Amino acid sequence: KAGVTQTPRYLIKTRGQQVTLSCSPISGHRSVSWYQQTPGQGLQFLFEYFSETQRNKGNFPGRFSGRQFSNSRSEMNVSTLELGDSALYLCASSFFGGDTSGANVLTFGAGSRLTVL
Amino acid sequence: DAKTTQPPSMDCAEGRAANLPCNHSTISGNEYVYWYRQIHSQGPQYIIHGLKNNETNEMASLIITEDRKSSTLILPHATLRDTAVYYCIVRVDESGGFKTIFGAGTRLFVKA
Repeated sequence: KAGVTQTPRYLIKTRGQQVTLSCSPISGHRSVSWYQQTPGQGLQFLFEYFSETQRNKGNFPGRFSGRQFSNSRSEMNVSTLELGDSALYLCASSFFGGDTSGANVLTFGAGSRLTVL
Repeated sequence: DAKTTQPPSMDCAEGRAANLPCNHSTISGNEYVYWYRQIHSQGPQYIIHGLKNNETNEMASLIITEDRKSSTLILPHATLRDTAVYYCIVRVDESGGFKTIFGAGTRLFVKA
């Protein structure tokens, strides 16, 4: 079956611009979570969506937002880009949402590498 | 914050078993232990997970201590392609939901 697809794979923006990243989960998966990875901070949790609702959020400013559509595809948006937003943005999908206490395995996409100049 | 602690790096000879330890002393009764790995800034790859019993799949074995406060991931015959950062994860229960929080992981170097 097809894996998690993230687009675009690479992009370059300048400070002050905004960016939208897309994530298509594995068919049948209803949860999508987003992570930011930088050399200094490692993998940091951004937010999770399940059934079009944000279920969990990490410690990021309001410039970072996201949404999930009825087909479970998700987008994240970063407004007013800063140099420090340069990172690999990873999306992961799972069948269950984060509110389940059972096993919940994440499948990650290849990521979108954002460079802010 | 992550609920696990791992050594920052380890070496292993090619063809030998790689044993990666993880401490999770605050794990709750029904929470699973998950292992992922990340190669060259690709997306993390799921390896294995377990609750109480030892688990084995085609990639690795997971040994969980009886008190569940620690575990060990075993790659039985490490190859150069197993060089990666390995993450041991216990999900964090915050704000009414579970988050998969990644720590710094263990950087495994498999040497020829």
